[in-house]
Amino acid sequence: DAMVIQNPRYQVTQFGKPVTLSCSQTLNHNVMYWYQQKSSQAPKLLFHYYDKDFNNEADTPDNFQSRRPNTSFCFLDIRSPGLGDAAMYLCATSTSKGSQFFGPGTRLTVL
Amino acid sequence: DAKTTQPNSMESNEEEPVHLPCNHSTISGTDYIHWYRQLPSQGPEYVIHGLTSNVNNRMASLAIAEDRKSSTLILHRATLRDAAVYYCILYYGQNFVFGPGTRLSVLP
Repeated sequence: DAMVIQNPRYQVTQFGKPVTLSCSQTLNHNVMYWYQQKSSQAPKLLFHYYDKDFNNEADTPDNFQSRRPNTSFCFLDIRSPGLGDAAMYLCATSTSKGSQFFGPGTRLTVL
Repeated sequence: DAKTTQPNSMESNEEEPVHLPCNHSTISGTDYIHWYRQLPSQGPEYVIHGLTSNVNNRMASLAIAEDRKSSTLILHRATLRDAAVYYCILYYGQNFVFGPGTRLSVLP
């Protein structure tokens, strides 16, 4: 089945230690998104790629970076995680005009 | 940014219809109305979307007001598996802005 895959499902890191979350898709969609979702809150868009074009939300902290080496893969890098960055991170894909398909998320814990 | 407002929570009895309202008074002519739901410990899941006309699919129906300033997601027969947070979203460009959503509880 075509899908969005996120690895790992659970990630533990230490305060200030860089961490990378990964997302892959078999849908061949040209748009990929990263969202942050904190407990009992709605997902908050961090950034998205339209093909190779990167679009950063205005209030996304500089601590968060992203890479998209090809159509199938997208990475979220958190350069110096703080306690406030503990959250569920959701990856999603869509066609240019279509609905979004979400992965299961990676739950990040910062110690 | 176009915004949506939804009730924080709603309750329904199993096998009864559920009408989930959403207000989007600042909608523009090119905004699509999308609905997603998020079950516990899962990523959001697409439910339905529309532009001007009412829409039906196997999961739900979407009723859009004539002035497009509000819409209603209709679950025809709620089941326990429909208990989730339902998000009404206005889609423009590639931007999805989630509102706080409605937490639906389904009582057996």
